Amino acid sequence: EVQVVESGGGLVQPGGSLRLSCAASGFTFEGYWLSWVRQAPGKGLEWVANIKPDGTEKYYVDSVKGRFTISRDNAQNLFYLQMDSLRAEDTAIYYCAKQGPAWLWGQGTMVTVSS
Amino acid sequence: QSVLTQPPSVSGAPGQRVTISCTGSSSNIGAGYDVHWYQQVPGTVPKVLIDSHNNRPSGVPDRFSGSKSGTSASLAISGLQAEDEADYYCQSFDRSLSTWVFGRGTKLTVL
Repeated sequence: EVQVVESGGGLVQPGGSLRLSCAASGFTFEGYWLSWVRQAPGKGLEWVANIKPDGTEKYYVDSVKGRFTISRDNAQNLFYLQMDSLRAEDTAIYYCAKQGPAWLWGQGTMVTVSS
Repeated sequence: QSVLTQPPSVSGAPGQRVTISCTGSSSNIGAGYDVHWYQQVPGTVPKVLIDSHNNRPSGVPDRFSGSKSGTSASLAISGLQAEDEADYYCQSFDRSLSTWVFGRGTKLTVL
């Protein structure tokens, strides 16, 4: 089955760190751009970051530049979002997605930044 | 202010046709980048309605259709049904930002 599955969400204090993981299966992992998208409670969708198939190019939304790092492990069919210096406004459901003509989304993992 | 502008809400009676607009600029839709459309029932994962090739994935009714002209795109829903009540989002790529962008979403109410 073609799918992506997130893990690693949870409650973290402001200023803290969290690493999200996304496990992929059912497709040629190293052939696709991969993205993270988030949705704050009651708000719309916000694209966060993406990474090229070979990992050589990475792009971020301005609000997370310098704080979040996207990476991938093509040997393990995994990709990650390292989130540092977390703020309350980073509280959201984080979705990983395989880019393509029709993006494939995971079920999401909740990240709550609160003291 | 979002790069892609959608109306906050639209409504229609069962059986009617509604359209949801998505207005961009010369750096995204107007530059020829494809538009994706999603449907999201609150509490669920966004569902792809229209892909970048303007096709409907398997399982999406043909009541849903997408179009694009100039710097704007539209999602049309015909034969409105109660189950269509949801939030709808457009998505495209912006070459000035080098990022993907979403509209703020449109809430569809079936009267």
